Amino acid sequence: VELVESGGGLVQPGGSLRLSCVASGFTFSTSWMNWVRQGPGEGLVWVSGISPDGSRIGYADSVEGRFTISRDNAKRTLSLQMNSLRVEDTGLYYCTRGSIFGGRGTLVTVSS
Amino acid sequence: DVVMTQSPLSQPVTLGQPASISCRSSQGLVSSDGSTYLSWLQQRPGQSPRRLIYEVSNRDFGVPDRFSGSGSGTDFTLKISRVEAEDIGVYYCMQTARWPNTFGQGTRLEIK
Repeated sequence: VELVESGGGLVQPGGSLRLSCVASGFTFSTSWMNWVRQGPGEGLVWVSGISPDGSRIGYADSVEGRFTISRDNAKRTLSLQMNSLRVEDTGLYYCTRGSIFGGRGTLVTVSS
Repeated sequence: DVVMTQSPLSQPVTLGQPASISCRSSQGLVSSDGSTYLSWLQQRPGQSPRRLIYEVSNRDFGVPDRFSGSGSGTDFTLKISRVEAEDIGVYYCMQTARWPNTFGQGTRLEIK
């Protein structure tokens, strides 16, 4: 399983970012996928998840209405559109296949 | 939400000695397909999390057999038969039985 996350960066509160994750080494189109955040010096927090065909989507309460998860099975890509960003959204964002972490994550910093 | 509670949160160990980490869930983790979706992750300093154990007791490919998982219902345990220097880091339990997926707080394994 290899997952390559990208799209992170420094953004001001209220701004937007779009994260992407390109998958390889497994059958992406049949896999449940998630985004997980790890704040500085903190533990792991599930942010959002999506079913293999995209029909089922879930969000943590803290991001509901601000973040949108999507996937393109033909391109083996998972995305996370992050709007109205808050300081507390800061962290390293990992793309996961279920409970498998296959990448280095992408860093999101929300600060003025 | 399913609350995952780990203990201890810090475990000083002597190299070559065993170690054990407990994880308790606030609800049962048996899914509709009959499987129990409880995993154990290892995060070494400066690295991404890596899954060691899935579905309570199944070791991932390449995981040394000194690691073992057990448990049922709401009580689960990760055991290391003889701790080696490369085992130092933070260990998390994670449930993927239902959304939101949730993690334990993490247990820091450190050399005594």
